[in-house]
Amino acid sequence: EIVMTQSPATLSVSPGERATLSCRASQSVSSNLAWYQQKPGQAPRLLIYGASTGATGIPARFSGRGSGTEFTLTITSLQSEDFAVYYCQQYNNWPLTFGGGTKVEI
Amino acid sequence: EVQLLESGGGLVQPGGSLRLSCAASGFTFSSYAMSWVRQAPGKGLEWVSGISGSGGDTYYADSVKGRFTISRDNSKNTMSLQMDSLRAEDTAVYFCAKAYRTNWSFDYWGQGTLVTVSS
Repeated sequence: EIVMTQSPATLSVSPGERATLSCRASQSVSSNLAWYQQKPGQAPRLLIYGASTGATGIPARFSGRGSGTEFTLTITSLQSEDFAVYYCQQYNNWPLTFGGGTKVEI
Repeated sequence: EVQLLESGGGLVQPGGSLRLSCAASGFTFSSYAMSWVRQAPGKGLEWVSGISGSGGDTYYADSVKGRFTISRDNSKNTMSLQMDSLRAEDTAVYFCAKAYRTNWSFDYWGQGTLVTVSS
């Protein structure tokens, strides 16, 4: 199975700052990668699919890039509602796999 | 408005069985693949199983293969997960998720149902 590794595990930032989250795949997943945001007690929310395409209704401050094995999610000008856990997920191969998550905290 | 509502969670003893259901509304159910994703307490997301829109193709994580069975009834807009031979490590919140039209990312999720496997 493809192992997805996210770094860092925790990212401490201040409101208004920029956050860059990384996701690495153990083998190429092409551009078949999604990013999700999850807040405590809530279901995940799709942010990005196809490595760089924003999902419906997602603010432009969220952007994704990468292909193959290296991916990044960038959040420009962090707002209070952006403090959450972020997961990457590959859907290039079965079984589908998620990364371990990056917690973005103040 | 897309809605996904899980039910069927609860407390079950190791070795026991449980059947989860997901009731869908607000979209053409048969046109979309669906999945179950779980999250153990305080842990990350783990994909469990997926099923194509027609129900003809099913997929499983190695951790549940041979113990869990996914199915769907497109006439009733429901998806199910039959879970047998449950283990303590199956304890988690189980989310129902709708796949995006053209890929296996998940654009809508239910609120989840808690399954606790304990004696």
